[in-house]
Parts: sequence; C-alpha cells; structure tokens
Amino acid sequence: AQKITQTQPGMFVQEKEAVTLDCTYDTSDPSYGLFWYKQPSSGEMIFLIYQGSYDQQNATEGRYSLNFQKARKSANLVISASQLGDSAMYFCAMREGGSEKLVFGKGTKLTVNP
Amino acid sequence: EAGVAQSPRYKIIEKRQSVAFWCNPISGHATLYWYQQILGQGPKLLIQFQNNGVVDDSQLPKDRFSAERLKGVDSTLKIQPAKLEDSAVYLCASSLEETGDTNTGELFFGEGSRLTVL
Repeated sequence: AQKITQTQPGMFVQEKEAVTLDCTYDTSDPSYGLFWYKQPSSGEMIFLIYQGSYDQQNATEGRYSLNFQKARKSANLVISASQLGDSAMYFCAMREGGSEKLVFGKGTKLTVNP
Repeated sequence: EAGVAQSPRYKIIEKRQSVAFWCNPISGHATLYWYQQILGQGPKLLIQFQNNGVVDDSQLPKDRFSAERLKGVDSTLKIQPAKLEDSAVYLCASSLEETGDTNTGELFFGEGSRLTVL
C-alpha cells in the first residue's frame, strides 16, 4: 500500500501567486513526521518544512506553510508569493515513529510562469 | 558546515559492468542512507546505516548491490553486474542520530550520482 500519495504530477502557477501542492499519507502509527523537500534540476534534495503528528499548530517556514489536516491524513504544502526559482520537483515524505527512514511520494513538478 | 559529498556525479557504463559510488556524510551524522531515484519517481531507500551497522537493507537487491560503511563515516555503494533498470540517480543522505525538540531528524542529501546503463 502506498504510504504517501501526491496526485498532482504537474502544477503551474503565476509568479507572485500562491500555490498548494497536495499530499495524503497512510499510517496506523500515532507518532509520525511529515516532510516536504524541493528538488531543483541540479538534483539535490532541499529540506523545506516539517510537521510532527503531535504538533498543535501548522508548521510555517518563511513562504512555506503546511496545511496539516490530521483526520483527513493530508499534509498539503502552501507556497505563497511564488518566485521563478520555486520551479522544481516537490516531494512529500513521511517518517513513522521508531524509524528514521523517510518514505517519499512520487512528487509534483511545479512550474512558475513569469 | 560542509554538506554531504558524493562522487562521481555522472557515470555511464554498459550492462554487466560494475560501478561504485562514494559518499561522505556531514560530520557528526551517525545515520547514513542510500536512496535510488528512478526518473519520474520519488527516492526509494536502498540501505540505512547507523554508524557502521546496517539498520535496514530490505529493499537492496543483494544479488547485485552491496554497500559498506567502514569506520562509520564514508560509505560506498557498489553495483555488480549492472542492469539497464539500474539507470537512476543514487542519492546519499545523512541525519543526526536522534530527533528531539530542536532536531526534526530531517535528512540532508548530497547532489546525487547519476548512473546510465547502456
């Protein structure tokens, strides 16, 4: 069973607008962590934001925020005021309690248009 | 702080040949991971080391892939013999040993080694 589902293969957004990238997850473990990574064409995976399953508030990091809806098992990434440099692949990942490894989704390719 | 170093960045070989990739994690990071990322997919964990011991190698094709982390620092991933389907980017990552209030346990990745098998 797929643990991380990203249903949007590609997304387009105009510069300066906000965009939401979807992620749903599947786990029976009450303790888990959710991550978003950005992968530019250079190939390196860049950590963006983290949400713990017990965190009461949605995580925010600059222009990135995570819309965490625990009951729906969704952890959508919101990028505000998109910039051309935001064009990249975006991966949602999960780590279950007691494990250090990350399980990744298939990713969403974001293109920011001028 | 130096990041995760990987080499080579690119490698082209013919099927049935062998190849080796090297990774130097961030200093002080006890946990090291090798991920395989096939074009158009998310990274898939091949093997996880804690210091020089293997924690998880359940998805490593052990008939052709091997990895070691001598002395708990650098690591080498080897493929012998390579198959066409091994064409991918091999990502090395490292993380601190324990999560805590100030450590989310995120993985720090290198730039990857892109393998093309002809």
